[in-house]
Amino acid sequence: DAGVTQSPTHLIKTRGQQVTLRCSPKSGHDTVSWYQQALGQGPQFIFQYYEEEERQRGNFPDRFSGHQFPNYSSELNVNALLLGDSALYLCASSYGQPDTDTQYFGPGTRLTVL
Amino acid sequence: AQTVTQSQPEMSVQEAETVTLSCTYDTSESDYYLFWYKQPPSRQMILVIRQEAYKQQNATENRFSVNFQKAAKSFSLKISDSQLGDAAMYFCAYRRGSNYQLIWGAGTKLIIKP
Repeated sequence: DAGVTQSPTHLIKTRGQQVTLRCSPKSGHDTVSWYQQALGQGPQFIFQYYEEEERQRGNFPDRFSGHQFPNYSSELNVNALLLGDSALYLCASSYGQPDTDTQYFGPGTRLTVL
Repeated sequence: AQTVTQSQPEMSVQEAETVTLSCTYDTSESDYYLFWYKQPPSRQMILVIRQEAYKQQNATENRFSVNFQKAAKSFSLKISDSQLGDAAMYFCAYRRGSNYQLIWGAGTKLIIKP
């Protein structure tokens, strides 16, 4: 049973560029959440996708957008990259409703913005 | 707004001994969930234990157990018979019952001395 997978593992971009990160959920899961984890800090919630719609969003600017595909996989897009966007981006998958929403995480994508 | 506080940036314990990691949270909700996640150097966030606020009984998973004090808004993690593989960052997280966003503490680095 494959767990949550993310690609790429590492990414280096320059300021102003755009980036796309990808996530495949754990088998049987239909919900994907994205988090940003700056060095030495706890993760911050970006948004969650369910049934191909953004179900909930954290306090992140519109430069951060996402998509969920019919097979439940998801992409996180970040436009006009800033130095402060350098972080570990974590994807988590879960199933369904709040009382069953225990989130399982992938290994993350390390984004460096120069 | 809900907050999660981990007051111990770093803890160390001798192998085979017991250690307790502290977590407090602030909420006015009655329906919520609490989690401990472990993040080893490999970066993948691994679920250690989950506690539903409506349950009086403290959750236990093998060598890991929690002391959930709802009135004090405290949720500590006890690791018994510490092993070298337990060395990691440990994060406490909170989720409101009707919400999907995990709110995280800043983490505690656990060092295991052989």
